[in-house]
Amino acid sequence: AQSVSQHNHHVILSEAASLELGCNYSYGGTVNLFWYVQYPGQHLQLLLKYFSGDPLVKGIKGFEAEFIKSKFSFNLRKPSVQWSDTAEYFCAVRSAGNTGKLIFGQGTTLQVKP
Amino acid sequence: ETGVTQTPRHLVMGMTNKKSLKCEQHLGHNAMYWYKQSAKKPLELMFVYSLEERVENNSVPSRFSPECPNSSHLFLHLHTLQPEDSALYLCASSQDFGGQFFGPGTRLTVL
Repeated sequence: AQSVSQHNHHVILSEAASLELGCNYSYGGTVNLFWYVQYPGQHLQLLLKYFSGDPLVKGIKGFEAEFIKSKFSFNLRKPSVQWSDTAEYFCAVRSAGNTGKLIFGQGTTLQVKP
Repeated sequence: ETGVTQTPRHLVMGMTNKKSLKCEQHLGHNAMYWYKQSAKKPLELMFVYSLEERVENNSVPSRFSPECPNSSHLFLHLHTLQPEDSALYLCASSQDFGGQFFGPGTRLTVL
């Protein structure tokens, strides 16, 4: 069965620090990959997605993620975080061509100290 | 209104009640989803509808019954729920199974 693992459950950073959140998945076929963010009191929002092509994808608010097929990973990065990046981040995977069934990781809570 | 809306935002019900959750999307999408978000667990997909047909049922108990009367509306009918069904129920929509847009959720408490 497919699964998604986010290594860090809770990350605390100071402003301007660099961020990398890990995401690994288990599925041998072609996948589509997503990162979602949920700011306090707000909806889940799509940050970025990878379907095909350049494995380095850029999303909103300065976030990017790199798909490394050999490592089954899709880590999220941001060079310099801001207090407003405090949120919960979810990685999700879908087998390409599937009916939209997303498998989510358990989420990582990011707290940025001003 | 824009995006995905859900009503009610909060619902408290007894185990013998029957209630319905409503979701409406204003994005012109052709696929809609129900998810369950419980504390300390990953988001769990419950149902997927594409072009008003159910294409995914993720082993959900029959006390949850979805309905998709048209491409903009999705319901989740609830009856004889259990306390462990208390959770945040999220609706989402997408175009052709692309990136999904989520609603704010309905916080359900079953007494």
